[in-house]
Amino acid sequence: LAKTTQPISMDSYEGQEVNITCSHNNIATNDYITWYQQFPSQGPRFIIQGYKTKVTNEVASLFIPADRKSSTLSLPRVSLSDTAVYYCLVVTNAGNNRKLIWGLGTSLAVNP
Amino acid sequence: DVKVTQSSRYLVKRTGEKVFLECVQDMDHENMFWYRQDPGLGLRLIYFSYDVKMKEKGDIPEGYSVSREKKERFSLILESASTNQTSMYLCASSSPLRLVNTDTQYFGPGTRLTVL
Repeated sequence: LAKTTQPISMDSYEGQEVNITCSHNNIATNDYITWYQQFPSQGPRFIIQGYKTKVTNEVASLFIPADRKSSTLSLPRVSLSDTAVYYCLVVTNAGNNRKLIWGLGTSLAVNP
Repeated sequence: DVKVTQSSRYLVKRTGEKVFLECVQDMDHENMFWYRQDPGLGLRLIYFSYDVKMKEKGDIPEGYSVSREKKERFSLILESASTNQTSMYLCASSSPLRLVNTDTQYFGPGTRLTVL
């Protein structure tokens, strides 16, 4: 079964690009990777989702190598408001059900 | 926009009390979830439901039960609250794709429950 592992915390400065990597060594063929962002006192919210190669939206990019054993969330030119916890999620099959494999979250601190 | 609401933002209860946490979503989603979130432990799934009157245990169901009588409403019940159930409780809903493993979840704001 897939397990997701991500760094506990990261520090950055305003204007820098931030890359957060999640490893998911046992990802299965049909499994997608999704990233969420959570601010204090709020529920997580969807940022981006992908299956392979690169996905980009107005908020972030997601890079997934060919073996799909990891994924990297890229936040371009971060600002103070990007300070949050970032979670990766892999949804996989477990018998007849789907199982949600959440990472423990990466706390990103953006400094002025 | 999808809206997921939870009945309380903050709740204080005493040990042994029965506690109801309510969650309502307005997007006709089939799936609904209850999580608890504790520092350093991330999001842990308590129960989920993929249809009315259906429920499945998550990773930490002990001490909890759920009810889903209507599609839009999913309730979490603590039959006899204990201090180790002090936590942030998050509700989410989703409408999953059938052929691939993905699930875009929409979360409520959370209920911070304190059990004294």
